[in-house]
Amino acid sequence: AQSVTQLDSQVPVFEEAPVELRCNYSSSVSVYLFWYVQYPNQGLQLLLKYLSGSTLVKGINGFEAEFNKSQTSFHLRKPSVHISDTAEYFCAVTFSSGGYQKVTFGTGTKLQVIP
Amino acid sequence: ETGVTQTPRHLVMGMTNKKSLKCEQHLGHNAMYWYKQSAKKPLELMFVYSLEERVENNSVPSRFSPECPNSSHLFLHLHTLQPEDSALYLCASSPRDRGLDTQYFGPGTRLTVL
Repeated sequence: AQSVTQLDSQVPVFEEAPVELRCNYSSSVSVYLFWYVQYPNQGLQLLLKYLSGSTLVKGINGFEAEFNKSQTSFHLRKPSVHISDTAEYFCAVTFSSGGYQKVTFGTGTKLQVIP
Repeated sequence: ETGVTQTPRHLVMGMTNKKSLKCEQHLGHNAMYWYKQSAKKPLELMFVYSLEERVENNSVPSRFSPECPNSSHLFLHLHTLQPEDSALYLCASSPRDRGLDTQYFGPGTRLTVL
């Protein structure tokens, strides 16, 4: 069975410190990988995605993620966080299944940036 | 401005009421989705429409009834809901229903069932 795991439900970090939000997936088929962010009282918006090519993907707001096929991971990183980065972050993976692409989201990680 | 709007933003209803959620996208997309977001649970895909035809129904109870009259509009009709149906209902759209397409989300409707 395919699944997406975000081990950390909450991550507190001081302003200007680096942060890594972890995402692991389980799949025996090829995947597409996404990170979405949800600010309070808003819907999700795309931060970045990996489809193919370079395993290091850069997104908006200074975030980047690295696809590691051997470790089945797609961790999100930012070298220096701002207060405005306080939000919930969702990893999503699309699996190919019988010709239909099925998107599965993780449970989310709440990033709390402390002044 | 995400290009996907949802109304109402908040809805409180009793278990015997009938109400509808509305989603509209202004992006020219061909695929639209309904998701349920509950606390501490993964985002649950409920329905997928591609070119106004339903292509996915993830075993959602019949008290939720979707309608897609055209590629810009998506409705979720609600009747005889249960308190456990209280959640944030998110609508999304994408250019097509291919997995590599980015989904664009609306702000959601916060539903409370009393």
